[in-house]
Amino acid sequence: KNEVEQSPQNLTAQEGEFITINCSYSVGISALHWLQQHPGGGIVSLFMLSSGKKKHGRLIATINIQEKHSSLHITASHPRDSAVYICAVRSVTGNQFYFGTGTSLTVIP
Amino acid sequence: DGGITQSPKYLFRKEGQNVTLSCEQNLNHDAMYWYRQDPGQGLRLIYYSQIVNDFQKGDIAEGYSVSREKKESFPLTVTSAQKNPTAFYLCASVLRGLGGNTEAFFGQGTRLTVV
Repeated sequence: KNEVEQSPQNLTAQEGEFITINCSYSVGISALHWLQQHPGGGIVSLFMLSSGKKKHGRLIATINIQEKHSSLHITASHPRDSAVYICAVRSVTGNQFYFGTGTSLTVIP
Repeated sequence: DGGITQSPKYLFRKEGQNVTLSCEQNLNHDAMYWYRQDPGQGLRLIYYSQIVNDFQKGDIAEGYSVSREKKESFPLTVTSAQKNPTAFYLCASVLRGLGGNTEAFFGQGTRLTVV
């Protein structure tokens, strides 16, 4: 069983839709990261969370430490949001990362 | 600006050749990591280093080598012993501060294709 589970694996949305990607984890963590990976491209770090909620533009990330769950929301989705979104958690000691397998998002114009 | 830099972004090599991927950070981070990503799989740990001149094998270290001669640099060499080297490689670094506060940065990644 993976330490980090993401859902859904694949997601197709119409432009403008509100999108939610979920991440559940089973280990104690010091922080959770949301990463974005464009096709053929590199990794962009979107958020680092240890509690509560963060917002950057149309992106919102939340974390519930008690439930070991985080969500990434995209408001007013756009085709340029099409990418793989990866959830990564950092262990309590900070010495290790665990990664989800990613959610592949396609936003159709 | 402080950050972590991987180079190059894309790399092509002939089968049987060793190749070294660069990872540099100017964040004064203590720990650095190398991960590998294959299609449909999560990132897997190759090697990590907590301090200079020390490094540890991760889950898939076979066919790889690293060095940590300087705090800022953690190069990864993909040797000819690595059976399936074509993959996406990601470097990360972590600062463990006082009071348990930490910060982590990720490189952009290097996509290696062996032909």
